[in-house]
Amino acid sequence: NAGVTQTPKFQVLKTGQSMTLQCAQDMNHEYMSWYRQDPGMGLRLIHYSVGAGITDQGEVPNGYNVSRSTTEDFPLRLLSAAPSQTSVYFCASSYSVGATEAFFGQGTRLTVV
Amino acid sequence: EDQVTQSPEALRLQEGESSSLNCSYTVSGLRGLFWYRQDPGKGPEFLFTLYSAGEEKEKERLKATLTKKESFLHITAPKPEDSATYLCAVRGSGNTPLVFGKGTRLSVIA
Repeated sequence: NAGVTQTPKFQVLKTGQSMTLQCAQDMNHEYMSWYRQDPGMGLRLIHYSVGAGITDQGEVPNGYNVSRSTTEDFPLRLLSAAPSQTSVYFCASSYSVGATEAFFGQGTRLTVV
Repeated sequence: EDQVTQSPEALRLQEGESSSLNCSYTVSGLRGLFWYRQDPGKGPEFLFTLYSAGEEKEKERLKATLTKKESFLHITAPKPEDSATYLCAVRGSGNTPLVFGKGTRLSVIA
């Protein structure tokens, strides 16, 4: 049982490049979400999904796309990377949208130059 | 809009010096208040969930309590390995996801 797995752990992009951050969970959780963490800003929600085929925007969705074709996977796509997207990205999953705890991956540290 | 404010931003304690971290919140229909621990370079690690005012949870040197407006994380006789950032989050009604505070960075000095 690996929990929530994020790849890659580190990435450097040039401005304008695109890439996909991968997130997979093996706990059969319905609810998955993406956060970014910046110094002094805390964890801010980018996008979330309440189940396969259903996604919604969080607090800071601009510049990011998501899709949820399976229960297990929830990739985050950067369409055209900007220096403002330099951050640490965390994927999280929980059993349901109710009052259950979320489990986090180890994060992806992204630098856009 | 759900909001979480944590204080202090940073706390430095001597080993064995007990203290408390504060989490004030406003939420529409609280479904749960969550405490996480985060070590440098790692993802947040779940500690506790509290559901209603008056509830308390304990784990080793940590005890979390909840009122209608705030939660406290009490740390009794801390050790250097308790050094970490402690995050508070709330989940409101409907499909709303976790809303996090900015965290309290705790340093315990031997």
